[in-house]
Amino acid sequence: SAVISQKPSRDICQRGTSLTIQCQVDSQVTMMFWYRQQPGQSLTLIATANQGSEATYESGFVIDKFPISRPNLTFSTLTVSNMSPEDSSIYLCSVGLFATNEKLFFGSGTQLSVL
Amino acid sequence: SQQGEEDPQALSIQEGENATMNCSYKTSINNLQWYRQNSGRGLVHLILIRSNEREKHSGRLRVTLDTSKKSSSLLITASRAADTASYFCATDVSLYNQGGKLIFGQGTELSVKP
Repeated sequence: SAVISQKPSRDICQRGTSLTIQCQVDSQVTMMFWYRQQPGQSLTLIATANQGSEATYESGFVIDKFPISRPNLTFSTLTVSNMSPEDSSIYLCSVGLFATNEKLFFGSGTQLSVL
Repeated sequence: SQQGEEDPQALSIQEGENATMNCSYKTSINNLQWYRQNSGRGLVHLILIRSNEREKHSGRLRVTLDTSKKSSSLLITASRAADTASYFCATDVSLYNQGGKLIFGQGTELSVKP
């Protein structure tokens, strides 16, 4: 299994500012992903965080808006840039240990509110 | 884009009853997984069924998969108040079966009344 620490757990931000969310895993993992969950909705995959290279973004998400870093196999950050109220969501980090199984482990999420 | 559709969107039952949730999807999958989410926070993996499997059991959970109909169902037997949560199906559509790229359904909100 994997234990994921995601920070901050919640934040209230002003329009036009940026917030960086951190995801720390207690062991080296193969895959790291970032998901967004808008209020009352399901999860949407933002991007796959690739170690040592640019993240792979899903349709509708761009690097300028959601820059992602993954400097090593245990840590990743997601930045929500130039925020607007539409960015108010829960952002979730998830990891996969695909040497052993195909399920994902999730962090507890970051509840972001943009005023 | 979402490919999973779940029904019902909400389900309210009494403790001890069984709860059945259904999931449909559109594309080919490597496997289908069910997750549980309490109070809109982190998800917990419940069960995984591979595309070549038809049924799987884990404790009070039973999941079925019909790839011809592109559908799955999750049955929770003898429900408890603690089962109250949102349940999501997720299809693994990773290329080359690398794993991890999950597309989530819309979810079923289950309420179990004591």
